[in-house]
Amino acid sequence: GAVVSQHPSRVICKSGTSVKIECRSLDFQATTMFWYRQFPKQSLMLMATSNEGSKATYEQGVEKDKFLINHASLTLSTLTVTSAHPEDSSFYICSAISRLGPQHFGDGTRLSIL
Amino acid sequence: GENVEQHPSTLSVQEGDSAVIKCTYSDSASNYFPWYKQELGKRPQLIIDIRSNVGEKKDQRIAVTLNKTAKHFSLHITETQPEDSAVYFCAAKNSGNTPLVFGKGTRLSVIA
Repeated sequence: GAVVSQHPSRVICKSGTSVKIECRSLDFQATTMFWYRQFPKQSLMLMATSNEGSKATYEQGVEKDKFLINHASLTLSTLTVTSAHPEDSSFYICSAISRLGPQHFGDGTRLSIL
Repeated sequence: GENVEQHPSTLSVQEGDSAVIKCTYSDSASNYFPWYKQELGKRPQLIIDIRSNVGEKKDQRIAVTLNKTAKHFSLHITETQPEDSAVYFCAAKNSGNTPLVFGKGTRLSVIA
């Protein structure tokens, strides 16, 4: 069964809306979570690394004020896409890693901004 | 940081033939090399992985080889079937809480 739960799986909303995506590790404590973005027919690109209790580390070119990441507990990280625009439409996938374990992926969130 | 190159970007094979996908990585500290299969609209699924202390690993029709010196690793699928059609990604990472770095993917089509 899934060890990382990601919600929602699908979001369709108007331009200017803010969208929150949740990523939960179900049966382990995730010291670190990663957020990836995948555009159609492209690879998974790392957006940011989220460590519990500290600020996220963003990859070059990813706007931290637009993609707000909160990792308030060892089992939950959230990504908020603020004031989303059509170019933010993408497949967002979270991933969690425990202290010694492999990297587990959520089911992804398909975000469509009209 | 790590950079992973993957080839080819598309691959078509006849059912029953073998398929080979190759990747190279840049960071000599990388020690974990998984391969993922992704179907349209779904998350990547781990199909096989290899660590740097091993040169080859096999699981039924799927095998992975690793050449640490050359920083190459490859995925081999034998006796391909139409259900093997998908996008395959290689990835690399080093120890600790570092993220996987993915190759650009290979779209495999198995023609019946």
